[in-house]
Amino acid sequence: EIVMTQSPATLSVSPGERATLSCRASQSVSSNLAWYQQKPGQAPRLLIYGASTRATGIPARFSGSGSGTEFTLTISSLQSEDFAVYYCQQYNIWPPLTFGGGTKVEIK
Amino acid sequence: EVQLVESGGGVVQPGGSLRLSCAASGFTFDDYVMLWVRQAPGKGLEWVCLISGDGGSTYYADSVKGQFTISRDNSKNSLYLQMNNLRTEDTAFYYCAKETQGRLDHWGQGTLVTVSS
Repeated sequence: EIVMTQSPATLSVSPGERATLSCRASQSVSSNLAWYQQKPGQAPRLLIYGASTRATGIPARFSGSGSGTEFTLTISSLQSEDFAVYYCQQYNIWPPLTFGGGTKVEIK
Repeated sequence: EVQLVESGGGVVQPGGSLRLSCAASGFTFDDYVMLWVRQAPGKGLEWVCLISGDGGSTYYADSVKGQFTISRDNSKNSLYLQMNNLRTEDTAFYYCAKETQGRLDHWGQGTLVTVSS
């Protein structure tokens, strides 16, 4: 099973600032990585797939990069609606689909 | 518009059973692998199980193997999760999700299962 590790667990950022979230895989997942956003009381929403492709309707301030074992989700200028928990998920070798533990982006 | 609507959650005693349903619309249901993902309160996401489009293949997380059964009725555009011998650690929100080339591109709103005496 591929283990996904996200860091940091919590990221405190001021509105308008840039946020950088990391995700590491225990073995190479190529570019088969997705990012999800989850707001309190809501289901997760797909943000990024293929490590860098934005899903339908996702604003351009969200970008993904990386391949192999190291990945980054960047939010270029945080808006109030972006404060949420973010999860990465690999789909290179599955089942099982595996998720990272999440990064909570909170208001500084 | 793709819609996934779960139902069937509730409070059940340890050792009890529950059957969750997920009604799908807005896409050709039998073309897609469907999954259940759960999330214990305040915790992260855990993949539970998946089923192929024709229902012929199923896979389970080790944590639920032999305890949960996933099924689908393509004539009714519906996905199911039969959960038996429930334990307190099965308490979670259960989401159904549509899979597209490995990514989960649509999720239901979730249904809460609470296992408690």
